[in-house]
Amino acid sequence: DIQMTQSPSSLSASVGDRVTITCRASQYISKYLNWYQQEPGKAPKLLISAASSLQSGVPSRFSGSGYGTDFTLTISGLQPEDSATYYCQQSHSSLTFGPGTKVDIK
Amino acid sequence: QVQLQESGPGLVKPSQTLSLTCSVSGGSVSRGGNYWTWIRQHPGKGLEWIGYISDSGNIYYNASLRSRVTISVDRSKNQFSLTLSSVTAADTAVYYCAGGALHYCATGNCYAYGQAYWGQGTQVTVAS
Repeated sequence: DIQMTQSPSSLSASVGDRVTITCRASQYISKYLNWYQQEPGKAPKLLISAASSLQSGVPSRFSGSGYGTDFTLTISGLQPEDSATYYCQQSHSSLTFGPGTKVDIK
Repeated sequence: QVQLQESGPGLVKPSQTLSLTCSVSGGSVSRGGNYWTWIRQHPGKGLEWIGYISDSGNIYYNASLRSRVTISVDRSKNQFSLTLSSVTAADTAVYYCAGGALHYCATGNCYAYGQAYWGQGTQVTVAS
C-alpha cells in the first residue's frame, strides 16, 4: 500500500504570509495527488486535484505542484479563513490520506 | 450540484454490524466516470479511507478493513451503502460519504481524481 507523509504537522503564520506544505508518497503516484481543507466540525473540501488543478471556486492564492512522489501546497497570502487542517491524498492506487497539517493564524 | 447525505443509526452495539446509506441528489450513481467512497474520521484524528465503488462496479477496500467491509450501490434508489461487521469501540468515528471523478481504470486499477462531493458526515458510536 502507498503511504503518505506530510510536513510540517502544524504551523503558525501571519496574515499575508506565504505558506508551503509538503506531501510525499512512499512510491510513484504520477499526478494523482489531491489536497483538502478541513475546518473543525465540517466535511473536507477539495482544493486541488491532480497535483495542480484548482477546483472551481477555490481562491487563486492556493496552488499545488509536484509529480511522482513529492508535492507541495502553497498558500500565497494567508488569510484568516485559511485556518484549518490540510490533507493530501493519493488516488493512484486506491486512496490514502496523509496525516494532515494544522495551519493556525498568529 | 451533486449533494450527498448519509443516514443510519448513530449508535451500534459491539460485535454488531454498522450499516450506513448515502443518498445522492443532483446526479446519478450510475453516471459514467464517477466513483463513490466512504471515509471516516476518529475523534480528533485524521481521515481514513474505507473503500470505494466505481461506476462500472470495481470495488476497492482499505486493506486494514477489507475483511469486515462491504460497499454496494442501489441504482434504483440512487444510493450507495456501507456495512462494517463485528464493530468495536475502535470503529467509533464520523463517517463521510463522498464522490469524485475517475480518470480511467485499467488492468485492475483505477486512477482517480479527488472527491469533489461530500456528505456532511454522520457520527457513529459503538457502545453497549
